[in-house]
Amino acid sequence: SQQGEEDPQALSIQEGENATMNCSYKTSINNLQWYRQNSGRGLVHLILIRSNEREKHSGRLRVTLDTSKKSSSLLITASRAADTASYFCATNEDTGRRALTFGSGTRLQVQP
Amino acid sequence: DARVTQTPRHKVTEMGQEVTMRCQPILGHNTVFWYRQTMMQGLELLAYFRNRAPLDDSGMPKDRFSAEMPDATLATLKIQPSEPRDSAVYFCASGLVVTGGSGNTIYFGEGSWLTVV
Repeated sequence: SQQGEEDPQALSIQEGENATMNCSYKTSINNLQWYRQNSGRGLVHLILIRSNEREKHSGRLRVTLDTSKKSSSLLITASRAADTASYFCATNEDTGRRALTFGSGTRLQVQP
Repeated sequence: DARVTQTPRHKVTEMGQEVTMRCQPILGHNTVFWYRQTMMQGLELLAYFRNRAPLDDSGMPKDRFSAEMPDATLATLKIQPSEPRDSAVYFCASGLVVTGGSGNTIYFGEGSWLTVV
């Protein structure tokens, strides 16, 4: 079953705009990660935020984590057509289990 | 540039046939994962190994699926007999999991695209 649920399922924006994707999860976690998947390709790790962190930046990416609400958001600023992809959140549960559980993903389309 | 290598990239097979997918994890990684991706179910964990030992295969249909790591450079996922509902993309991923660590990034292969007709 899916631990994380992403919202929205699909998002279409214009180049230069910001894109925000949200993820909710159910259990206590060690960390939350965001991955990107281009069409027909494997998933690529973007950023990891630990449970004791609230915000993290990497280039044009900004991730927030609210453990009290069991939610996270990924913000992509100044989007580019090349950002078109599916984005997945993945949680590392605080149970010793070291396998990531992935959400359902957000399909982002950036129009040039 | 280290990467996870999967073969075959694409496979079309008839129902009832055996399918074997192979994965070469990144050298030095101690944990290997098999995930399956479908439109309906998304990404599902099938099985994973730590230092070649199976840790969790609860996501895998035991009657027809089997996963092994004959050595540190090879992981296999076998389906016998295959069924149309097995059609999916099968991803292998590897990572270095440190005991007591609080985070682990995993690296995915490009996937094996399986169609069972």
